[in-house]
This record gives sequence, structure tokens and C-alpha cells, in this order.
Amino acid sequence: AQKITQTQPGMFVQEKEAVTLDCTYDTSDPSYGLFWYKQPSSGEMIFLIYQGSYDQQNATEGRYSLNFQKARKSANLVISASQLGDSAMYFCAMRENKGSTLGRLYFGRGTQLTVWP
Amino acid sequence: DVKVTQSSRYLVKRTGEKVFLECVQDMDHENMFWYRQDPGLGLRLIYFSYDVKMKEKGDIPEGYSVSREKKERFSLILESASTNQTSMYLCASSLLSGRNTEAFFGQGTRLTVV
Repeated sequence: AQKITQTQPGMFVQEKEAVTLDCTYDTSDPSYGLFWYKQPSSGEMIFLIYQGSYDQQNATEGRYSLNFQKARKSANLVISASQLGDSAMYFCAMRENKGSTLGRLYFGRGTQLTVWP
Repeated sequence: DVKVTQSSRYLVKRTGEKVFLECVQDMDHENMFWYRQDPGLGLRLIYFSYDVKMKEKGDIPEGYSVSREKKERFSLILESASTNQTSMYLCASSLLSGRNTEAFFGQGTRLTVV
């Protein structure tokens, strides 16, 4: 079974609008971390935001926020006020903190975001 | 700044060759990873290591092996390269535990097997 599911292969948003990229995860570990990465066409992987499973508040980093709904096992990335430079592939990832998979990072298949003027 | 450096940006190898991809990190991270990235498939884990001489299989280890003789270096070995191993290979490192466990990635190696 997929540990991380990103159901949107592609998303389009107009500049200055907000956009939500979906991510659901599957784990029975009570302690885990969730990450979002951005990969522009240059290929580098850029870490954006982190949410711990015990964090009470949703994580925010500038224009990025993570809509964490633990009961639904979802960790959607919200980008506010989109910019042309936000056009990139976005990956959701999860890290379980216990057991034999300690330290392993699971990635989704990614969502290609295109921001148009 | 954290640096993860992969030895080559582009490689072209012949079918059957033994291929070495090298990765070095300078942040004293315990974890190191090798991923393969193909369009539509995201990042798939080949192997990871949480300590020197330790290795764990990921989702697609067949046709690959790894070596971690020093903490800072993690090598991916294609024992006998095949055309279906043409791909982008990404190395990453991270702390083993604690809050700041985001992975830091190298620039990637685009391998073509002909």
C-alpha cells in the first residue's frame, strides 16, 4: 500500500491566488513527521515545511502553510498569493519515528503546479 | 550550509558496465539515502543507511548495491548496468532523530545507459 498519496498529477493556479496541494498518508506509528519539498525545473529539491504528528498547531513558513488533519491522515500544502516562481513539482513525504523503518522517508508521486499570469 | 554532493551531474555508461555513484555530506548526518526519480513515479527509495556499514533495502533494490565505509560517504553501485536503469538518481542525508530531520538532497545524477 502507498504510504503517501498525492492525487493531483497537475494543478493550475492564477498568479496571486491561493492553491491547495493534497496529500494523504498511511501509518500506524503514533510518532511521525510530514514534509513538503519543491522541485523546480532545475532539479534541486528544496525543503519547504515540516509538521510533527504531535504538533498542536498547523505549521506555517511564509506563504506556505500545512493543513494538518490528523484524523483524516491528510497534510495538504497551502500556498498563498501564488507567484510565477512557484511553478514546480511538489512532493509530500513522511518519516516514521519508530520501528524498523526509523529514519526512512516515504515520498508521494508529486504534483506539478503551474502558475499562470 | 548543509552540503550533499554527488560526484557527477551527468553520466553515460554502456550496458553491462559496473557503475559507481558517489555521495558525500558534510553535516555529520546519520541517515543517507539513494532515490531514483522517474516521471510519474516520484521518488523511489533504492537503499538507505542509518550508520556506517549498515544498509537497509528500499522499494527497488534489485540490480543495485550500496557501500557506507565512512559516515559522510554513501555509494550506489550498479553491478551490471542495464537500459532500464537510465534515470535520475538523488542522494540525500538527514539526522536520525529529533525535530529537524528534513532530508537534504544532492543535485542529482542523470544516468543514461546505452
